[in-house]
Amino acid sequence: GESVGLHLPTLSVQEGDNSIINCAYSNSASDYFIWYKQESGKGPQFIIDIRSNMDKRQGQRVTVLLNKTVKHLSLQIAATQPGDSAVYFCAEKENSGGYQKVTFGTGTKLQVIP
Amino acid sequence: DTGVSQDPRHKITKRGQNVTFRCDPISEHNRLYWYRQTLGQGPEFLTYFQNEAQLEKSRLLSDRFSAERPKGSFSTLEIQRTEQGDSAMYLCASSQETGQEEKLFFGSGTQLSVL
Repeated sequence: GESVGLHLPTLSVQEGDNSIINCAYSNSASDYFIWYKQESGKGPQFIIDIRSNMDKRQGQRVTVLLNKTVKHLSLQIAATQPGDSAVYFCAEKENSGGYQKVTFGTGTKLQVIP
Repeated sequence: DTGVSQDPRHKITKRGQNVTFRCDPISEHNRLYWYRQTLGQGPEFLTYFQNEAQLEKSRLLSDRFSAERPKGSFSTLEIQRTEQGDSAMYLCASSQETGQEEKLFFGSGTQLSVL
């Protein structure tokens, strides 16, 4: 059953429209960012990543934008489909030497309206 | 299916009991992570192994928690004297060491409910 997402910010989008999910990060030392998708009853699944020396990266139907000035990350999903319904998390990793863990932000629940 | 297996999928236990979870990572991955996720939150890092060595533990990991990866393959996470606050989804992830651009592959987690 549903184990995450009940108290998350929710974005409702009509099927076929584009979705934009936003994320603010706090660690100025982070230089690698990742978006994960988590469906009900499953673990997070990698979608797309971006290094801090880039401001845009495109995948299949997804685009990640990075604005380091305001520490903002966004995930754009083109032509949103019902299968895109899930909770989306941004994550960051700091390059400070040695081992660095991936830190997850608060998720956004995407609901696709058929 | 990411290739990371976790067992059991669900565990209901009474407060004070001990529980143990198992994670089988992707076979060629040398890094293994445990995360905990509570309702409405992102996963929180608990601990990390490189091969059989436990290299990092979060302050979240109290003395009641212990993790092992004896042969550098599967891992177990044990919680002793469980408390209601331990109720959460426990996620395991693995990766192949590739430097900064490290992609984690997560299992489906073990949902723990402490009554």
